[in-house]
Amino acid sequence: EVQLVESGGGLVKPGGSLRLSCAASGFTFSPYIMNWVRQAPGKGLEWVSSITSGSTYMYYADSVKGRFTISRDNAKNSLYLQMNSLRAEDTGIYYCATEGCDYWGQGTLVAVSS
Amino acid sequence: SYELTQPSSVSVSPGQTARITCSGDVVAKKYGRWFQQKPGQAPVLVIYKDSERPSGIPERFSGSRSGTTVTLTISGAQVEDEADYYCYSAADNNLLFGGGTKLTVL
Repeated sequence: EVQLVESGGGLVKPGGSLRLSCAASGFTFSPYIMNWVRQAPGKGLEWVSSITSGSTYMYYADSVKGRFTISRDNAKNSLYLQMNSLRAEDTGIYYCATEGCDYWGQGTLVAVSS
Repeated sequence: SYELTQPSSVSVSPGQTARITCSGDVVAKKYGRWFQQKPGQAPVLVIYKDSERPSGIPERFSGSRSGTTVTLTISGAQVEDEADYYCYSAADNNLLFGGGTKLTVL
């Protein structure tokens, strides 16, 4: 069974940083593109970032470009999102999702507030 | 930039057919997917490659495409199908979600 478990969310002040992690199990992690998708409270889904299997290419939504960095460790079956210079509008649930968003984790809540 | 446009809400009575559309230029170039999201839960894939259904998804869920519009059809909608539905496509190394449609079944 595919499992994705996010962690690392929490309350942070504007301008602060957080590092999200996603632990994957139940499938072969290394060959697949992985994604982060977020959802602001009461709003729709927004793609944040994607990373290719060997970390050759990383892609970002314009709203986070230059502030967020996606990475992965295939030996640990893990995906990461380093979030710097956080803003109030970054508040929401952050989901880790497999290639094509076939499978999703349960998400981790990030709240940016003073 | 690309956009995917969905109606904000659709309402049907139990047993009726619900249709949710998703329009955008990118739909003409890439396969569409549909996700169901119930309150407090993560999204679940219900349709991929425009019309394919993952294992475990009831047969009443189907998808179709015409030009720059893909449509999710729920034939004989059940109360448990009440949820938000999002279309999705990939464009220029970005992932694109529609704004979401709240389906009410009552």
